[in-house]
Amino acid sequence: EVQLVQSGAEVKKPGESLRISCKGSGYRFSSYWISWVRQMPGKGLEWVGRIDPSDSYTSYSPSFQGHVTISADKSISTAYLQWSSLKASDTAMYYCARVIVAAGINSFDPWGQGTLVTVSS
Amino acid sequence: DIQMTQSPSSLSASVGDRVTITCRASQSISRYLNWYQQKPGKAPKLLIYAASSLQSGVPSRFSGSGSGTDFTLTISSLQPEDFATYYCQQSYSTLYTFGQGTKLEIK
Repeated sequence: EVQLVQSGAEVKKPGESLRISCKGSGYRFSSYWISWVRQMPGKGLEWVGRIDPSDSYTSYSPSFQGHVTISADKSISTAYLQWSSLKASDTAMYYCARVIVAAGINSFDPWGQGTLVTVSS
Repeated sequence: DIQMTQSPSSLSASVGDRVTITCRASQSISRYLNWYQQKPGKAPKLLIYAASSLQSGVPSRFSGSGSGTDFTLTISSLQPEDFATYYCQQSYSTLYTFGQGTKLEIK
């Protein structure tokens, strides 16, 4: 079974750093991009960025560029999303998702269970 | 960025109803359009990819259509488990963007 399992909920203070993880299993991790998606409380889905684990090439939404960093360690089938200085506005659920190609079109399947990040003083 | 606009933002319907949700892209995206379902407290789930192809395991009461800028998701006969929020997503650009969501509620 293809699965993405994310790290647990985090509570941090503004200005602190954080790295959350997404571990893939049941497939060849380096063969599929991983995307990260933010969902703020009560709001919709926002694409953060993605990584190709085979070469660690990344692409970011302009809305998130410079504020987060996406990385991956293909030797342990794990992707990461990290912040060097958190803000209260980073409070959200963060999902990772595998990017698949079907009929020549990218889509996201499956998704991780989500990691809730809470930033509060 | 390609902007995706869904309508309506919310919808009340009854079990057995036929419902249609619309998604419009700010530019032509051919058939590079996916639909996801999200239930409260759960991760989104892929329903339809490439505008009209049903993901494996998804009931046949779900269908998608459209190309270019206008797309629809149709549920032919609503079941209790279908009450959820639905999102469209374009993948024409790899700067992927989602619609704002349509919340489907029980009437």
